[in-house]
Amino acid sequence: NAGVMQNPRHLVRRRGQEARLRCSPMKGHSHVYWYRQLPEEGLKFMVYLQKENIIDESGMPKERFSAEFPKEGPSILRIQQVVRGDSAAYFCASSPSGQGKTGYTFGSGTRLTVV
Amino acid sequence: AQSVAQPEDQVNVAEGNPLTVKCTYSVSGNPYLFWYVQYPNRGLQFLLKYITGDNLVKGSYGFEAEFNKSQTSFHLKKPSALVSDSALYFCAVRRGGGADGLTFGKGTHLIIQP
Repeated sequence: NAGVMQNPRHLVRRRGQEARLRCSPMKGHSHVYWYRQLPEEGLKFMVYLQKENIIDESGMPKERFSAEFPKEGPSILRIQQVVRGDSAAYFCASSPSGQGKTGYTFGSGTRLTVV
Repeated sequence: AQSVAQPEDQVNVAEGNPLTVKCTYSVSGNPYLFWYVQYPNRGLQFLLKYITGDNLVKGSYGFEAEFNKSQTSFHLKKPSALVSDSALYFCAVRRGGGADGLTFGKGTHLIIQP
């Protein structure tokens, strides 16, 4: 069981470029969550997805950020026209259910640096 | 709205001594509570969770946590600290109001001194 796989581990983008972060959940997990961690801060919830559906995007910035979890393939967090303030670690978690009792497994994160 | 407070940015403990990392929470309904540990430039590793049942929860690496409903606390404890326990510890609560996912505290740096 490979766990939650995130790639790339590190991503450098120039201001104005697009960033695509990928997350493959654990085998058997159909619920995916994205979080952002700014330096010296805790993780902030961004979005919760199931296959082909966005369930809760209340933590997503209204502009430039989008997420998807297609029927086939990994979940993608997309940031358009990146700015320096987007520099952060982005973590993905997965769970087998959306009820919390089974807990959440986290990936190792993608560290985005905008230069 | 739900929230988690970790009142200490840093906790220093001598190796071999007991340690406590504090956490209080606020959430509507019954809380689902979690502790995670993060090592530098790594992801979060699950330590333990409280869903229901005994107030004392035992987890990985010898850690345990005590759920106290009246004080809305879920402090992390370990009887004898190891230098390798030095890391960043996060307390989290499942988001309330039917929403899934976690709300995290800001984290506590635990430093174990040899």
